[in-house]
Amino acid sequence: GDSVTQMEGPVTLSEEAFLTINCTYTATGYPSLFWYVQYPGEGLQLLLKATKADDKGSNKGFEATYRKETTSFHLEKGSVQVSDSAVYFCALSARTNAGGTSYGKLTFGQGTILTVHP
Amino acid sequence: NAGVTQTPKFQVLKTGQSMTLQCAQDMNHEYMSWYRQDPGMGLRLIHYSVGAGITDQGEVPNGYNVSRSTTEDFPLRLLSAAPSQTSVYFCASSYLGTGNTEAFFGQGTRLTVV
Repeated sequence: GDSVTQMEGPVTLSEEAFLTINCTYTATGYPSLFWYVQYPGEGLQLLLKATKADDKGSNKGFEATYRKETTSFHLEKGSVQVSDSAVYFCALSARTNAGGTSYGKLTFGQGTILTVHP
Repeated sequence: NAGVTQTPKFQVLKTGQSMTLQCAQDMNHEYMSWYRQDPGMGLRLIHYSVGAGITDQGEVPNGYNVSRSTTEDFPLRLLSAAPSQTSVYFCASSYLGTGNTEAFFGQGTRLTVV
């Protein structure tokens, strides 16, 4: 079945440090890939997404590139802020073919807790 | 624009009690789902629905029932609560279709079973 593996956490950084959170996946077919963020006490929000190989998703200074050859979708940010402290989830949504229906049925990684200190 | 609304936000149950977690969305999404979030395990799918009258089991369905009588509502019922069901529950909805399908999440229900 489909699965998503995220790097072990938690991650603690100083403000303005570089962030990488690793994500690898196993999936049949043509998955879409997502990063969701969960701020304390809130639900999940979509951070960025990519639907096909070599696509780069970006939002709020975060980036991730869909690498089919390494089955990876690593999240990066060049300079983190205290306000980026949250839990980050990598997820995939499978499709049976490139133009097929994606049912929104998400498979999540275990989440990575990020804490940024001033 | 309310999005996905879950109630209640917090609930404490005694073992053996039953209750219903409510979920409503106002975006006319076909797909709705329930997840539970446990430390170190990410979110796991409990049940999902691709439209009114259609439901199916996810990864961890035991002890939970769902129904989908309208497009907007997707309640989750705990039949006889157990301490193992202590968790944070999230409802999500999205369109069905080609390409990416962004899921929108409610704010969660924190359930404690004692």
